[in-house]
Amino acid sequence: DTGVSQDPRHKITKRGQNVTFRCDPISEHNRLYWYRQTLGQGPEFLTYFQNEAQLEKSRLLSDRFSAERPKGSFSTLEIQRTEQGDSAMYLCASSLGSTTNEQYFGPGTRLTVT
Amino acid sequence: GDSVTQMEGPVTLSEEAFLTINCTYTATGYPSLFWYVQYPGEGLQLLLKATKADDKGSNKGFEATYRKETTSFHLEKGSVQVSDSAVYFCALSDPTVSGSARQLTFGSGIQLTVLP
Repeated sequence: DTGVSQDPRHKITKRGQNVTFRCDPISEHNRLYWYRQTLGQGPEFLTYFQNEAQLEKSRLLSDRFSAERPKGSFSTLEIQRTEQGDSAMYLCASSLGSTTNEQYFGPGTRLTVT
Repeated sequence: GDSVTQMEGPVTLSEEAFLTINCTYTATGYPSLFWYVQYPGEGLQLLLKATKADDKGSNKGFEATYRKETTSFHLEKGSVQVSDSAVYFCALSDPTVSGSARQLTFGSGIQLTVLP
């Protein structure tokens, strides 16, 4: 199966620590998205890459968050100085950028900040 | 801005019952509409989509019709199974607002439980 993969699946960290998540998109997909999902809510858009360029960022993405996609393949999302409010599921999605732009999601990384 | 409203849940049905999950949207432009499903412990899976008025998306016995006049995209299935138990999300992608990103705007989701 060559779907979207994310690592780790679960992360528990203490407040103030830095964490980094990785996303490997479907290989031929040039678009990559990060979303955040809290309990009982739908995912909310964080940021978007086309190839290696980060083209859009949501206002939800504070200065403590940074994302990269070197060489236009995998992507990382780093959260510095984590806060309890950062506890959520972080989802990665990729797409081909077709007319309908269907996005395919990974299993997510569940972050718990204690 | 764009938004998606889903009916309040959770929903509990008996096997073979008829399912309707309501979804309405607000969009500036002419969005594409999607239903995603999230099974326990798994990621979001695209269930079906529609890109223009009166389009009907269908997959695995589920259907939804893009109704521009009522700004709705209700999900239906004639006979649900226990294996359909999951969380269902309605979503839209509006190129007018999202520009090049065309990110998805999701509803809050609804938990469906089907009892044998």
